[in-house]
Amino acid sequence: AQTVTQSQPEMSVQEAETVTLSCTYDTSESDYYLFWYKQPPSRQMILVIRQEAYKQQNATENRFSVNFQKAAKSFSLKISDSQLGDAAMYFCASAGSARQLTFGSGTQLTVLP
Amino acid sequence: GAVVSQHPSRVICKSGTSVKIECRSLDFQATTMFWYRQFPKQSLMLMATSNEGSKATYEQGVEKDKFLINHASLTLSTLTVTSAHPEDSSFYICSARTGLLAYEQYFGPGTRLTVT
Repeated sequence: AQTVTQSQPEMSVQEAETVTLSCTYDTSESDYYLFWYKQPPSRQMILVIRQEAYKQQNATENRFSVNFQKAAKSFSLKISDSQLGDAAMYFCASAGSARQLTFGSGTQLTVLP
Repeated sequence: GAVVSQHPSRVICKSGTSVKIECRSLDFQATTMFWYRQFPKQSLMLMATSNEGSKATYEQGVEKDKFLINHASLTLSTLTVTSAHPEDSSFYICSARTGLLAYEQYFGPGTRLTVT
């Protein structure tokens, strides 16, 4: 079984600043993927970034990057140059051999103008 | 690519009636689709895994006779809420994998069900 923990229910960031969202996970599997999904007010789930566990290099997608610490089972998301459109609920998720997503409880991000 | 649609986006039904929600993969074939339920300000709860041409696999605590899932083709899965009650009111989201070995899922826009 996999578990995902997001310890920050709410975060806020000033526009153009950088914010880091925390996520820890637990799994007994050696082959797994980690994801960050964004859910804006429209409630459409959007894949932000993914990380293959076997890759040591941290994934990046434009202003979004992760800090993947495999030994510590930590997978944080950094958003640089925050924009108003980044305001959303962010979910960390993992998927193992069953290829089912296990979600964290989410972090509500507010971007202040 | 990897677009998933859901219909309807909103539905209101009377208690005791049934309502069907459709989930379609528009630009890929999805052998596996998933159905989630989400309460306000909460995370997604997996209800069932839908495999094309076979019976759905339900998560513990989900009533399979209440939430009927059919995955008759590689691009369509349906969720039917039978004999709906007000406590079934929720936001229902489907997702699909792009392949048997794929890990990530692509999500539909969700359906808000209100049972009066």
